[in-house]
Amino acid sequence: KNEVEQSPQNLTAQEGEFITINCSYSVGISALHWLQQHPGGGIVSLFMLSSGKKKHGRLIATINIQEKHSSLHITASHPRDSAVYICAVRTTGSYQLTFGKGTKLSVIP
Amino acid sequence: SQTIHQWPATLVQPVGSPLSLECTVEGTSNPNLYWYRQAAGRGLQLLFYSVGIGQISSEVPQNLSASRPQDRQFILSSKKLLLSDSGFYLCAWSVRVVPNYGYTFGSGTRLTVV
Repeated sequence: KNEVEQSPQNLTAQEGEFITINCSYSVGISALHWLQQHPGGGIVSLFMLSSGKKKHGRLIATINIQEKHSSLHITASHPRDSAVYICAVRTTGSYQLTFGKGTKLSVIP
Repeated sequence: SQTIHQWPATLVQPVGSPLSLECTVEGTSNPNLYWYRQAAGRGLQLLFYSVGIGQISSEVPQNLSASRPQDRQFILSSKKLLLSDSGFYLCAWSVRVVPNYGYTFGSGTRLTVV
């Protein structure tokens, strides 16, 4: 069974700061997802990664397959970025996702 | 375009009452369908997944059941709710055959059992 750990659990930042959220997992994967969950509960898929790096606007996601580690970066953070960010992995050979517990980000004006 | 609909958004039900949550997908055929639950303070946990009509796999033993009466319809049910069934329920779908497919999530249902 894949164990997914996220850090930190909670993060408070000032508007404009550069933010990093980390995710590590224990077993080989075919894909890693970064998801955003807003206070109302709805979940939006931000990235799906199997190698390297992806960028979308102010969001950057990287993955190191050898080290079983991924990071989500937010540049020039804004209060609207406040949400729970969830890492999820699809273990090789499986349909299913294993989720981390999430990182709650609060960006203060 | 592909969309996923999940309802209701919130639900308050008494202990012992039945439950039916519905999820439908549009714009795709033969999707894999999933029900996840997020209990307070915990990560999302897979409850059921389906690779086709009438095909349901259960990951966690519980008093919930799932059915897939049509290709793009996935229903989560319970005959008698328990307090421990409270949580956030999320439906999702993925393309079945593409090797490295992404997931699309519904907006979720927050269930409170009282």
